[in-house]
Amino acid sequence: GENVEQHPSTLSVQEGDSAVIKCTYSDSASNYFPWYKQELGKGPQLIIDIRSNVGEKKDQRIAVTLNKTAKHFSLHITETQPEDSAVYFCAASKRAAGNKLTFGGGTRVLVKP
Amino acid sequence: EPEVTQTPSHQVTQMGQEVILRCVPISNHLYFYWYRQILGQKVEFLVSFYNNEISEKSEIFDDQFSVERPDGSNFTLKIRSTKLEDSAMYFCASMKTGTGELFFGEGSRLTVL
Repeated sequence: GENVEQHPSTLSVQEGDSAVIKCTYSDSASNYFPWYKQELGKGPQLIIDIRSNVGEKKDQRIAVTLNKTAKHFSLHITETQPEDSAVYFCAASKRAAGNKLTFGGGTRVLVKP
Repeated sequence: EPEVTQTPSHQVTQMGQEVILRCVPISNHLYFYWYRQILGQKVEFLVSFYNNEISEKSEIFDDQFSVERPDGSNFTLKIRSTKLEDSAMYFCASMKTGTGELFFGEGSRLTVL
């Protein structure tokens, strides 16, 4: 089955700096890659996703890139703010009807003011 | 904004007892999921449910687990005889279509003593 690895496990950045989180996946059939943000005591919330027919997607301060050949994808957060502090999870799935997500291990991001 | 709601938020139970975790998915969603997250670990897929039947389940989802959608609105996860290792946060999620966004509830924390 699919295996998703995520690095780093923790990331501390100064407010205003950029944060980059990287994930690799094993199943070349995976074609959908969402990123979730989980705040303390809450469920994961989708922040951005990318499909395999696209190499990059941006939404304000957040961008995701995908390299299908290398089977890796990355989350980039620019101009980080204290409210960006959370655990971020990458995931992968095959977007056939309702297929499950396989999650990475998570990255705890701390933005220092 | 519609959301997935879960009850209870926290349940403490003795080993061997039955537990039912309840979820109300978003009303026009068709795909339903249970995931779990052991403290500090990955979010793991348990089971997916579509058209009143299980569509996929993981190795974790053994005979001790069952799911039900008894009344068209609730979606429940039952653990028949809890074990210590069942202690985790259990997340319910729902999806409108097979290729849509997965919405998570805030989770039910299960503590087995």
